[in-house]
Amino acid sequence: AAGVIQSPRHLIKEKRETATLKCYPIPRHDTVYWYQQGPGQDPQFLISFYEKMQSDKGSIPDRFSAQQFSDYHSELNMSSLELGDSALYFCASSPPSPVTEQFFGPGTRLTVL
Amino acid sequence: LAKTTQPISMDSYEGQEVNITCSHNNIATNDYITWYQQFPSQGPRFIIQGYKTKVTNEVASLFIPADRKSSTLSLPRVSLSDTAVYYCLVGLYTGGFKTIFGAGTRLFVKA
Repeated sequence: AAGVIQSPRHLIKEKRETATLKCYPIPRHDTVYWYQQGPGQDPQFLISFYEKMQSDKGSIPDRFSAQQFSDYHSELNMSSLELGDSALYFCASSPPSPVTEQFFGPGTRLTVL
Repeated sequence: LAKTTQPISMDSYEGQEVNITCSHNNIATNDYITWYQQFPSQGPRFIIQGYKTKVTNEVASLFIPADRKSSTLSLPRVSLSDTAVYYCLVGLYTGGFKTIFGAGTRLFVKA
């Protein structure tokens, strides 16, 4: 079965650079979520999109932005990267309600040097 | 969104049944309770979801008392591969579109 695809899987950037993470949800899933998980920490909700519209925001820094495109893939754009942005970034998707299980991708490991 | 409280860690041995309890005193009427499992460097994986009473699937059972202020995830006959972090989430469905992962329970299964 198709799963959530994230690219790249690993990314190394310097401080103050920008990064773009991509997420391809499972076909026919209408909701996409982004999470950040620092080393030894629990996943932190960043932002979500429902039918290509932003639906909720969590602890997403102003330096980050995200969007969902017409083909339902989503991109998380991160600017002015800081050392503290080093983390695993997960994307998840969920099918139309009432089934609400979130299916997570393998994550993108971002390292900021 | 309802706040959840779980034990920080638990130890068990292979073959034993493990019960992880989550407290969610301010659960709302429309809230569902969902549990996820996460292995290191992997995304969380859905285990089970319920609203009230008992739910069972091929990997776990979820017990929810009548007042719904707590829930217990039961893992029958755990194996070493069940060593992971387990998260209890409470919200409308899975919190609607804003999903809050609290501090999960780190389960260590020993041989």
